Amino acid sequence: SQTIHQWPATLVQPVGSPLSLECTVEGTSNPNLYWYRQAAGRGLQLLFYSVGIGQISSEVPQNLSASRPQDRQFILSSKKLLLSDSGFYLCAWSYSSNEKLFFGSGTQLSVL
Amino acid sequence: GENVEQHPSTLSVQEGDSAVIKCTYSDSASNYFPWYKQELGKRPQLIIDIRSNVGEKKDQRIAVTLNKTAKHFSLHITETQPEDSAVYFCAVSFSGGYNKLIFGAGTRLAVHP
Repeated sequence: SQTIHQWPATLVQPVGSPLSLECTVEGTSNPNLYWYRQAAGRGLQLLFYSVGIGQISSEVPQNLSASRPQDRQFILSSKKLLLSDSGFYLCAWSYSSNEKLFFGSGTQLSVL
Repeated sequence: GENVEQHPSTLSVQEGDSAVIKCTYSDSASNYFPWYKQELGKRPQLIIDIRSNVGEKKDQRIAVTLNKTAKHFSLHITETQPEDSAVYFCAVSFSGGYNKLIFGAGTRLAVHP
């Protein structure tokens, strides 16, 4: 069966520090991969999605970047965190053939 | 781009009552409409979905109805229980490809015993 792993679960970082969140999917090949952000009490905002290795599409201009160095690995990064980067970050995957999303367990990021 | 509006933002019901949450969307080419449930601090979980070739789908106490002409779809929960308390998100597939889902802002449902 397919599983998605996301880490860390919680992270507290100072303003201006770098960020790296990692997500891996097991049990499937060539998945579509996504990063969503959820501000406190708010909806799910799509940040990045990827349909293959090295292929990244950005949905909103921001302080973050994403990379997909391997088929089932998706990384969210920042060189210098801002206070506004705080939130709940969710990695998700879908089969390339349909839209059904499966979410990771999320990372609660607090930038202080 | 696709716009998804979800109402109400909060909903409070008594245990045993029904709850209805509605979403409207703008892209008439969208063809996939899922609903996710998110408990506090947890990941969103898919609870039911519907495609545009079907008008209604039911799974035990939950059902989704779709009106493609009016571009809206609704989640219906009958005989609500306290464990139904959560935030519910609707989503719409983006017809531009790549299987993107655009989410509504969410509805916080509280079921009181």
